[in-house]
Amino acid sequence: NAGVTQTPKFRILKIGQSMTLQCTQDMNHNYMYWYRQDPGMGLKLIYYSVGAGITDKGEVPNGYNVSRSTTEDFPLRLELAAPSQTSVYFCASSYAGGSYEQYFGPGTRLTVT
Amino acid sequence: AQTVTQSQPEMSVQEAETVTLSCTYDTSESDYYLFWYKQPPSRQMILVIRQEAYKQQNATENRFSVNFQKAAKSFSLKISDSQLGDAAMYFCAYRRNNAGNMLTFGGGTRLMVKP
Repeated sequence: NAGVTQTPKFRILKIGQSMTLQCTQDMNHNYMYWYRQDPGMGLKLIYYSVGAGITDKGEVPNGYNVSRSTTEDFPLRLELAAPSQTSVYFCASSYAGGSYEQYFGPGTRLTVT
Repeated sequence: AQTVTQSQPEMSVQEAETVTLSCTYDTSESDYYLFWYKQPPSRQMILVIRQEAYKQQNATENRFSVNFQKAAKSFSLKISDSQLGDAAMYFCAYRRNNAGNMLTFGGGTRLMVKP
């Protein structure tokens, strides 16, 4: 199993540009998540999904959109990039409920200038 | 809303010695889970240990153990026989047992291990 994969690993955007961060998992997990990690801080939840076709906002959703058309994929869309979105973005997945571990991807480092 | 607080931005330990990282959390729920994640310089998030709130027994994973004090809402991580490879950021995280099961993270503690 590849686990959770994210592309790209690094990206530099200009203010106002848009991009999609890709996330794929091959563990047949129902739940998927997007977090952002600002320098020296813990992770904050952007969006999550409990299954294909179902998404919901997390703590910091503004400026982002998601979709979940398949169990495996959970892309994160940034519209009109702003410097405040400079961060490291992590995708994660898990089985539903309980003490199930969330498996994290390697992260995408995004810089908006 | 749940909050997780790690009051030690940095900790240092001598190789082979023991160190304890602190974590407190705020919740009105009774059914939840607590986790410690390790983040080395590679950025990969690695689960170290987990604790179910309904279990009174403290979780243990090899050299890692927790001191879970439910009434005090405290969840500290003890690392015994510290190794150079333990040097990393450590994050405490809370998860309520409901739909979504998202994690709420603390701000992290940077652990340095001196040879």
